[in-house]
Amino acid sequence: QITLKESGPTLVKPTQTLTLTCTFSGFSLSTTGVGVGWIRQPPGKALEWLALIYWDGDQRYGPSLKSRLTITKDNSKNQVVLTMTGMDPVDTGTYYCAHTLTTLMWAFDIWGQGTMVTVSS
Amino acid sequence: QPVLTQPPSSSASPGESARLTCTLPSDINVGSYNIYWYQQKPGSPPRYLLYYNSDSHKGQGSGVPSRFSGSKDASANTGILLISGLQSEDEADYYCMIWPSNYVVFGGGTKLTVL
Repeated sequence: QITLKESGPTLVKPTQTLTLTCTFSGFSLSTTGVGVGWIRQPPGKALEWLALIYWDGDQRYGPSLKSRLTITKDNSKNQVVLTMTGMDPVDTGTYYCAHTLTTLMWAFDIWGQGTMVTVSS
Repeated sequence: QPVLTQPPSSSASPGESARLTCTLPSDINVGSYNIYWYQQKPGSPPRYLLYYNSDSHKGQGSGVPSRFSGSKDASANTGILLISGLQSEDEADYYCMIWPSNYVVFGGGTKLTVL
């Protein structure tokens, strides 16, 4: 059974750097064809894809936020870490990590419950 | 970054069918892309429903009923999620998604009300 769980601060101040951790089980991110992505959702608004890391370490970022994002993985800990610099109140929202597979045509088939992040001074 | 256009809301009665649309910008041909669909209920993460490219290239999410299906309208450059035999539990937000290049784009979502 695949599970993912997001963790990190619930409150960050403007201009600070946000670090979120996705801890997963039921799969290995060193297995060929596996990926983990991050998606966020402001309150009452639509989903926005942020970043994805593949089993081989290749990284992909959303064009509009690319300069602020870094995604890394630690296979030994079964974790994926997302950092976002220059936090602003508009970055307030729920942040999800999700599993994806090449055999599913890279659909995000399993999602974590999400973690709410508020940006405020 | 392309914008996927979804009607903000839609409604239908139990037992009827709901047709939710996802329109791609004119410079992106819907025929070239997998269209992914997700369902999200309040307070829950999105649930993967299916992807559709063609009748011979499609996939259903694990445990997703067959009354959820995908299609395309090439003339409208639109991806379609069809939900047949609507049930009250289908009331939710629905999002489409594509991979136009090495990144992902979500639509703005449609809130489906089951009257």
